Amino acid sequence: NAGVTQTPKFRVLKTGQSMTLLCAQDMNHEYMYWYRQDPGMGLRLIHYSVGEGTTAKGEVPDGYNVSRLKKQNFLLGLESAAPSQTSVYFCASTRDLNTEAFFGQGTRLTVV
Amino acid sequence: GENVEQHPSTLSVQEGDSAVIKCTYSDSASNYFPWYKQELGKGPQLIIDIRSNVGEKKDQRIAVTLNKTAKHFSLHITETQPEDSAVYFCAAIDSGGYQKVTFGTGTKLQVIP
Repeated sequence: NAGVTQTPKFRVLKTGQSMTLLCAQDMNHEYMYWYRQDPGMGLRLIHYSVGEGTTAKGEVPDGYNVSRLKKQNFLLGLESAAPSQTSVYFCASTRDLNTEAFFGQGTRLTVV
Repeated sequence: GENVEQHPSTLSVQEGDSAVIKCTYSDSASNYFPWYKQELGKGPQLIIDIRSNVGEKKDQRIAVTLNKTAKHFSLHITETQPEDSAVYFCAAIDSGGYQKVTFGTGTKLQVIP
């Protein structure tokens, strides 16, 4: 089982550029999440989805957009990257809200 | 909203000793409390969890305790081994009306051989 797969694993962007991070899960989970991880701040929720076609804002949604057109995929978009978005991004999925979260390997994004 | 505080931020123990990491939460509606272990360069993985109707849960060398009245829960690792070295995160989930997921800031555990 692949579990949760994130692409790409690394990316360097210039300020103002756009990009999309892809998250795919093969566990038929309803819930999917995007987190960012910064030193000393733990995991902060950016956006999440409770099912195909739904999205909701998390703790730090500004500057990001998401889409969940297919149940297995959750896309995170940066329309105009800023240095403050330099971080490690993790995607996760759960069957229900109060069940085990399965995380991807992370995407290290640097905005210069 | 929910606020989860995790202490300590770093912890060094000798191999074979015990390690304890503590978290406090603010939202009394939180009802699910997982603990995740993150090894270098990898995503977090669940190691143990506890629900609000249980006070303690144990899995081999790992245990979690929950005090709902005081709103705190703790991770206990006994007989620590070098492979326990990692960053540990607690989380508090409110699966009710607000459906909030909040993580602690992490504890870097170093087990010294």
